[in-house]
Order: sequence, then C-alpha cells, then structure tokens
Amino acid sequence: QSALTQPPSASGSPGQSVTISCTGTSSDVGGYNYVSWYQQHPGKAPKLMIYEVTKRPSGVPDRFSGSKSDNTASLTVSGLQAEDEADYYCSSYGGSNNLVVFGGGTKLTVL
Amino acid sequence: EVQLLESGRGLVQPGGSLRLSCAASGLTLSSYAMSWVRQAPGKGLEWVSTIGLSGTTYYAASVKGRFTISRDTSENTLYLQMNSLRAEDTAAYYCTKGNPGTKGGMDVWGQGTTVTVSS
Repeated sequence: QSALTQPPSASGSPGQSVTISCTGTSSDVGGYNYVSWYQQHPGKAPKLMIYEVTKRPSGVPDRFSGSKSDNTASLTVSGLQAEDEADYYCSSYGGSNNLVVFGGGTKLTVL
Repeated sequence: EVQLLESGRGLVQPGGSLRLSCAASGLTLSSYAMSWVRQAPGKGLEWVSTIGLSGTTYYAASVKGRFTISRDTSENTLYLQMNSLRAEDTAAYYCTKGNPGTKGGMDVWGQGTTVTVSS
C-alpha cells in the first residue's frame, strides 16, 4: 500500500481539463510544500512535471499545474493532448525518517 | 547534457548480493542529492535511498540494513550495494538527481537497470 493515495485512473477528451488528486497526511503532503508530480510513458523513465507544489521545470508546458489544500495535492492538465496519456505519480517529502513518499500512480487516458 | 547511466543489472538468487552503478555526466554528483528509486514489474514507484549534499544517507524501511548507498566523487559515480536480496526486491532501479535536494523533486532520471531476484 502506497503512502500517498491517488485514483487508479482518470480520463478526459482532447482539449478538456482533468485533475488528479494525491492524498497524504499532515506528516507529508500537509506538512510541507514539497510535492512533486511525475509523468511516465510506457517503457520510459519518469519525468518531473511539477515540484514544490506549483513550480514547473523548464520545458514543461504551462498546461500542467499543481496545487495543494491541507493534506491533498492536485495536478491539473488543461487542454488535454494525446501525448498526455501516461501514468502520473505524486510524491512528497516525508520528513527525515521517510524522506520521499510516492503515490500509487494514476493512469491518465485521453479518450 | 546531463545524463545518468546505470549498470549492474542481473539475475541473483535470494540471499545474494549485487552492486548497481550510476555514472553521471554533465553534472557533479556531490553538488546534488542523489537517489535510487525502484519500480517492480507493473507496479508504482518506490523510493529506495538517498545520499544528501553533505553525504548523509537515508533509506526506506524496506531496505534499511540491507542496502548501502555511496558515491565516488573522483569517478562521479553513484552506487547501490544490495545484500540479502529478496524476491520482492525484483524491480527496475532508477538513479535520480535531486533538484538540488530531494525536496525539489528528482529532475534527471537514468534509463533504469533491471534486478531480478529468483532461484
């Protein structure tokens, strides 16, 4: 069982927006502004899409945005495109005894 | 270009040992937190271990006491020594670079190397 809870699947049509949630506790998501999101296409290594809740690395489209409220973080993908179809994982800093915690992953399908 | 190249993949019997290597190019390992993340077949990501900027090491509970992370600054290479391997350690192991620490996420990933623990 993963430390952070994500829905197993999400979907949307091209051009629509979809939001993926990531629920933790006050010991991880709720306690720090250190949530990251990763995109993973089949057979590929994960790619950092969001860090520190809302920040985008260089090169990541602004269609990807992050937010957080209490113990739940969210990733929103706007203007869905076919290439956004992938698995998405959230992670959070969990303190010095559990440095990094991941969610179980969400499979995003573009209909 | 920043690149991480893992090596050391293999098939090992339960109870055996294996050492993974991660050669870095385009960056100085000691300037970043470096981590190992694994992914069992068909499963999600699992953090394994991190060596921080100061050299402090951190481990997931599932590997603590069995795995050791280290780095060789002269070779600019990260290592993961894995002992007392179990079937549940079977996974693709990714070497990752912190941004610059793990709190900022992992912004560079290697291609992964496969470890299979089976008799």
